[in-house]
Amino acid sequence: DAGVIQSPRHEVTEMGQEVTLRCKPISGHDYLFWYRQTMMRGLELLIYFNNNVPIDDSGMPEDRFSAKMPNASFSTLKIQPSEPRDSAVYFCASSRRGNTEAFFGQGTRLTVV
Amino acid sequence: RKEVEQDPGPFNVPEGATVAFNCTYSNSASQSFFWYRQDCRKEPKLLMSVYSSGNEDGRFTAQLNRASQYISLLIRDSKLSDSATYLCVVRNNDMRFGAGTRLTVKP
Repeated sequence: DAGVIQSPRHEVTEMGQEVTLRCKPISGHDYLFWYRQTMMRGLELLIYFNNNVPIDDSGMPEDRFSAKMPNASFSTLKIQPSEPRDSAVYFCASSRRGNTEAFFGQGTRLTVV
Repeated sequence: RKEVEQDPGPFNVPEGATVAFNCTYSNSASQSFFWYRQDCRKEPKLLMSVYSSGNEDGRFTAQLNRASQYISLLIRDSKLSDSATYLCVVRNNDMRFGAGTRLTVKP
């Protein structure tokens, strides 16, 4: 069974450009999470979905960030316009149902210059 | 106040040592609890779930105290391969991580 798949693995972009990160959760999983990890702030929960519906987006830092889940097998996290302080590793994770363990993708390392 | 607080570390211990990590959480409605392990430049991976009755997996023992909102992880007879960052995780549909505690086991 394939795990959580994220793309791209690495992204380098210039300030002001739009960045789109992609995630394919494990088939049959109802929950999908987006996290950002930095040395200073650790793993921050940005947003999570249940059955494709956004439940809590209070962790999204600014209006520049948006996330969608058009179907059960795909989600995107978009940053527009990007800024150097957005540089971080972005992880997607999914779980089968509420309050069970979640499985992580390998992450996207984003660098905004 | 952060929702999940962990010992800041780092912990540097010799092989064979016993090391304990502690964690507290603020949301009393939290339903489930985990310890994850993260190796350098890798994704977090589940180490073990934590139950109120306490649970053990080989050299690893996890404990939960709901009254005190406290979670612990004990590693006995530590190995070089245990070197990693250990993350305390609390779930109530959402999933919140502590800042992590870095462990280095030295020969």
